[in-house]
Amino acid sequence: TQLLEQSPQFLSIQEGENLTVYCNSSSVFSSLQWYRQEPGEGPVLLVTVVTGGEVKKLKRLTFQFGDARKDSSLHITAAQPGDTGLYLCAGAITGGTSYGKLTFGQGTILTVHP
Amino acid sequence: KAGVTQTPRYLIKTRGQQVTLSCSPISGHRSVSWYQQTPGQGLQFLFEYFSETQRNKGNFPGRFSGRQFSNSRSEMNVSTLELGDSALYLCASSLRLAGVRETQYFGPGTRLLVL
Repeated sequence: TQLLEQSPQFLSIQEGENLTVYCNSSSVFSSLQWYRQEPGEGPVLLVTVVTGGEVKKLKRLTFQFGDARKDSSLHITAAQPGDTGLYLCAGAITGGTSYGKLTFGQGTILTVHP
Repeated sequence: KAGVTQTPRYLIKTRGQQVTLSCSPISGHRSVSWYQQTPGQGLQFLFEYFSETQRNKGNFPGRFSGRQFSNSRSEMNVSTLELGDSALYLCASSLRLAGVRETQYFGPGTRLLVL
């Protein structure tokens, strides 16, 4: 059974601050995806990382996939109120009986105060 | 290209009833996965359908079932509803190409409330 431990569970910060969300597992994943979800809506894909050590940047968001493909982090620089939401990491294993299944972390509820 | 669509968006049912939810994947996507999201358990995998066949199944009771049609549209059914089935049900689609590390794209979900 693959598990993803996501931390912190809650994050309340002021506009302009930086933050990092972590996603850790004892399992190796073929890829890891980060999503952002608004209340009552489905998760919206932010990024997919597939190579160990990979770093991807999306404006003020920086995503990193660990060398061993067991962990990942999301760093937000100069957070804005519009960044408020639920952030989810999800791991995928390609092939065999794992196809089509994402294993999700518990999520991080981020609140950015003006 | 249109995204994943789910109908209905909201449902209210009573215990013991059954419910059918529908999902239309992104055009060209052949795989549909279903998830249940609750505040306590987060997002949990229900099952995945590809080429009209269930290929993978999560740890849910047999009351949860699904099917996929030749146009890749999928339905999931929950029979004999229980209060604990109240949740946001999400479907996600992907291309499902062999050997490819794929990304899943989610629909807006169906909010089910069981009274």
